Formats: sequence, structure tokens, C-alpha cells
Amino acid sequence: DVKVTQSSRYLVKRTGEKVFLECVQDMDHENMFWYRQDPGLGLRLIYFSYDVKMKEKGDIPEGYSVSREKKERFSLILESASTNQTSMYLCACHDRGYEQYFGPGTRLTVT
Amino acid sequence: EDQVTQSPEALRLQEGESSSLNCSYTVSGLRGLFWYRQDPGKGPEFLFTLYSAGEEKEKERLKATLTKKESFLHITAPKPEDSATYLCAVRGIEGAGSYQLTFGKGTKLSVIP
Repeated sequence: DVKVTQSSRYLVKRTGEKVFLECVQDMDHENMFWYRQDPGLGLRLIYFSYDVKMKEKGDIPEGYSVSREKKERFSLILESASTNQTSMYLCACHDRGYEQYFGPGTRLTVT
Repeated sequence: EDQVTQSPEALRLQEGESSSLNCSYTVSGLRGLFWYRQDPGKGPEFLFTLYSAGEEKEKERLKATLTKKESFLHITAPKPEDSATYLCAVRGIEGAGSYQLTFGKGTKLSVIP
């Protein structure tokens, strides 16, 4: 079974702080994704990475950046957190059939 | 642009009362339709992939079917533990190098004992 872990389940940060969300997968998959999920808006893709040091913007990249220094690890960075970035953040990787496997999620609150 | 619409938004069933969830989609060249289950506060859990019209997949009380315009998730004799939000997603030939999945907003299923 694919295992995707995220560094925190719950996180509370203040406006303006720099925030790091980390994701690790154990199946040597090349493609990894970061989503945010909000009520009424569903899952929205922020960034994805198809190889080490390679990244592509998703649908809502503004205010975020990513880092992928090692194949198994994909980090999402909020350079200066704002209250509208309060959300559930989900990391995923995909298998050969392109089905995506998700981590448990990080519920981020920015106050 | 790929689009996925799920209906109904919410569904309440009595235990044992069978029903179906709908996922309508528009996509440029379907390369896969995916069903997920999501429990509150958790990440989505993969259920099925369907690739072509007429295909069916089953798992316990769940059965997914696919036509050229929509997919159905049939739930037979549901139990309270089937209560969750069910998400549908499609992969087309466009979008993020075709790696991207486009998700619907989900159907929240509640099964009452």
C-alpha cells in the first residue's frame, strides 16, 4: 500500500509567518501534488512536481511556493501566511494508473 | 476545461436503502474516472478507476459504472459505516501535463441506522 505522510495534522500560525508543510511518500513515485480543500469549493490544485527540482503551477499557486529536493519529499511553503490561507491542505502522489493517493491532511489556521 | 458535477450534494438513506450517486463530466479525451471516499477530517481514500464506457467495478456494497457522459456509484444495502463524502475526479488529456485530476465537489452520504 502507498503511504503518504504529512508533517502535522493541525497547525496554527499568525498572519505574516512563513509556514512549511511537508509531505513524504514511501513508494518512489515521481509525481506529487499539493491541494487545498475548502467547503463549497472542493479540492483545488496548488502545485505539482513531476521530478526532483521540477514543479508546475496548478490552478491556485498565488501566495504559495514549493520545494522538492528529494524524490520522496515535497514541501509547500506559505511565504507570508494570510487568513485566507486557512484551509485543509492535502498532499498526494500517483501510481502508474494515475489514481492519486492522499495523505491525512493538515488543517491550517492562520490568525 | 475539464468539468465534474456531482449530484446530489447530500443524501440521507436509511440503513439498507439502496441508491446511486451521480458524477457528470466533460473532458477532452477521458483517460480515467476516479472515485474516492473521504471521512471527515481525513484525506480522500481511493476506491475505483474506470477507463471506458461500459466498464464496471465493485467493492463490497459499492459498484461504479461509466458511460460517455457520466458515472454512477451504486450503494447496495448501505450501512452506517458507509457514511462519508464521495468524490469523483477525471483525468483528461489537458491540464498539468495530463497528470492533473479535476475533482467534483462531492456527495455527502449519511446512512441512518
